[in-house]
Amino acid sequence: EIVLTQSPGTLSLSPGERATLSCRASQSVTSNYLAWYQQKPGQAPRLLIYVASSRATGIPDRFSGSGSGTDFTLTISRLEPEDFAVYYCQQYGNSEVTFGPGTKVDIK
Amino acid sequence: QVQLQESGPGLVKPSETLSLTCTVSGGSIKNYYWSWIRQPPGKGLEWIGYIHYSGSTNYNPFLKSRISISVDTSRNQFSLKVSSVTAADTAVYYCARFDYYGSGSDYWGQGTLVTVSS
Repeated sequence: EIVLTQSPGTLSLSPGERATLSCRASQSVTSNYLAWYQQKPGQAPRLLIYVASSRATGIPDRFSGSGSGTDFTLTISRLEPEDFAVYYCQQYGNSEVTFGPGTKVDIK
Repeated sequence: QVQLQESGPGLVKPSETLSLTCTVSGGSIKNYYWSWIRQPPGKGLEWIGYIHYSGSTNYNPFLKSRISISVDTSRNQFSLKVSSVTAADTAVYYCARFDYYGSGSDYWGQGTLVTVSS
C-alpha cells in the first residue's frame, strides 16, 4: 500500500495569498498517477488535477499541480473566497488506490 | 454530461449487509472503471474498490473480506455490498467514475449517508 502524507494539516491564509500544499508518497507513484480533489462541506469531492499536473475540465488556471515520483505539490496562485476548502491527494498508479488525509485551507 | 446517483437504505442494523446502487446517466457504463469511496463523518476519504464494466474488480485489502462490487451494464448501474457492518461503517458513501489510466475519479455522485445503528 502506498501511504500518502499531506502537509500542512491546516493552512490559514487570506484571500489573494498563495497556497502551497504538499503530498508525499511512501513509494514512487507509477506514471505520476496523482490527483488532487477539492471538497467543500456537504459536497462531493471535485477533481482539480490529474496525472500530477493536468488541470481537469473547467478548473481555473490559478490551480496548478507539480511534482513526480514521491513528492507532489498543489499550488493555488491567488486564493479566491470559494477556494477555502479541504484538499485531498489520491494516487491511482498502484492497483490499490489510496487517499491522503487532507489539508484544510481556511481563512486567516 | 455524466451523472451518478447513489441509492439505498440510509439505516442498516449492526451485523447486517449494507447494499447500495449507483445509477449512471448521460453516458455508457462501458469502457470505464467505476468506484466506491466512503467518508466517515468528519473524517477523510477512504477508497473501497472499483469494478471494470467487464466485471473485473479490485478491493481495498482492509475491507476485502466484507465487500462485493458488481455491475449491470443493461441497467447502467453498479452496486456495493458490505457485509457484517458495524458502527465503523457509518459514512457517506460516494460512487464515482474511475478513469484508471487517465484522470482518476472525474465524476462523482452526490453521496449518501448510511448509518449503522440498531
